[in-house]
Amino acid sequence: DSGVTQTPKHLITATGQRVTLRCSPRSGDLSVYWYQQSLDQGLQFLIQYYNGEERAKGNILERFSAQQFPDLHSELNLSSLELGDSALYFCASSVGQGFGQPQHFGDGTRLSIL
Amino acid sequence: GQQLNQSPQSMFIQEGEDVSMNCTSSSIFNTWLWYKQEPGEGPVLLIALYKAGELTSNGRLTAQFGITRKDSFLNISASIPSDVGIYFCAGQLGIQGAQKLVFGQGTRLTINP
Repeated sequence: DSGVTQTPKHLITATGQRVTLRCSPRSGDLSVYWYQQSLDQGLQFLIQYYNGEERAKGNILERFSAQQFPDLHSELNLSSLELGDSALYFCASSVGQGFGQPQHFGDGTRLSIL
Repeated sequence: GQQLNQSPQSMFIQEGEDVSMNCTSSSIFNTWLWYKQEPGEGPVLLIALYKAGELTSNGRLTAQFGITRKDSFLNISASIPSDVGIYFCAGQLGIQGAQKLVFGQGTRLTINP
């Protein structure tokens, strides 16, 4: 158990819809990272927040957004969903803000777009 | 953009054999990380490497940060059935505020008992 909690575990929705994925980091971790894992693109970094502020951006689409709240939980919002957005979305957390620090992953949210 | 080439893509070995996989890139990395992912779970950190030339072990696992900072390898000795899974390398580059973490495509390890 990594201590990182992601909800929901599974999400099925239709194209054009909007969903919100939630992540609670490990106790004491201030950084939250979001990743997308798909069969064709592999594991891709989307965005990082540290103590409520955006710290780094990766391959995140403009239709996607995220935020980290004062209690340090984070939400990833995906809108105008397309078939290609079907993937596993992972959240990870670490103590500090540097990428070199070990990140602890949740079990992911599997998003299926019909 | 930055890419990590991880090889091999898959390995089929007998229990007890040693395993070796590596990642290479044309970019210079500040940190190398090795993760293992099992079905239905998120990646789990195995080893983190922070300095060029660093050699680090974690039980039967050994990983090294290449001298050129463009490559890393992971070795698993005397493989056992629970080593089955997908192994990912990840490299961190850039400076604070503009950092990136890039993942390899993964090595799928299958072990025949």
